[in-house]
Amino acid sequence: AQRVTQPEKLLSVFKGAPVELKCNYSYSGSPELFWYVQYSRQRLQLLLRHISRESIKGFTADLNKGETSFHLKKPFAQEEDSAMYYCALSGGRIGNEKLTFGTGTRLTIIP
Amino acid sequence: GAVVSQHPSWVICKSGTSVKIECRSLDFQATTMFWYRQFPKQSLMLMATSNEGSKATYEQGVEKDKFLINHASLTLSTLTVTSAHPEDSSFYICSAARVYTEAFFGQGTRLTVV
Repeated sequence: AQRVTQPEKLLSVFKGAPVELKCNYSYSGSPELFWYVQYSRQRLQLLLRHISRESIKGFTADLNKGETSFHLKKPFAQEEDSAMYYCALSGGRIGNEKLTFGTGTRLTIIP
Repeated sequence: GAVVSQHPSWVICKSGTSVKIECRSLDFQATTMFWYRQFPKQSLMLMATSNEGSKATYEQGVEKDKFLINHASLTLSTLTVTSAHPEDSSFYICSAARVYTEAFFGQGTRLTVV
């Protein structure tokens, strides 16, 4: 069974400080990991995926298979980063596999 | 990115009635559509996966006779909550994907059963 764990429900960080949102997963094969973001009153949207290895809005995430983690990081938080963040896992690289979501972390950036 | 639209955005219905929620991919053809349910302050729980022209695959614990899913075309999937009860009140979200691409999410539908 696949599972995604986000241990922090709430995270508050001062503007300009580094941000790290934790995500651990459980999956027997080779998963595809994603981070989704939901800004206030907006729909869920893809922030980044591990396979593309890119930085979006200053955020990066590295897949650590040894630790089964996919933590989301940003060196300097900005106020517009305040949102709900979901880590998600897909069971393959086909692209349209079903996603298993973590419970989400609400990030609040303190001005 | 691609656009997925849900209709209605919110609906209130009486207990015992049925409610249909539509999910449309507006500018692409979706080979697969997913339906999720989200309770307040909780994560999205996958209810079912539907592929165009075939029966939906329901997750364990989801009643297929309660939550009817139809995926008649590559741009439209519908979720019908039959004989709705207050416990069915929730936020329902669909997503649409095509092979080798990410899934795009609808804005969600808030269902309140009174």
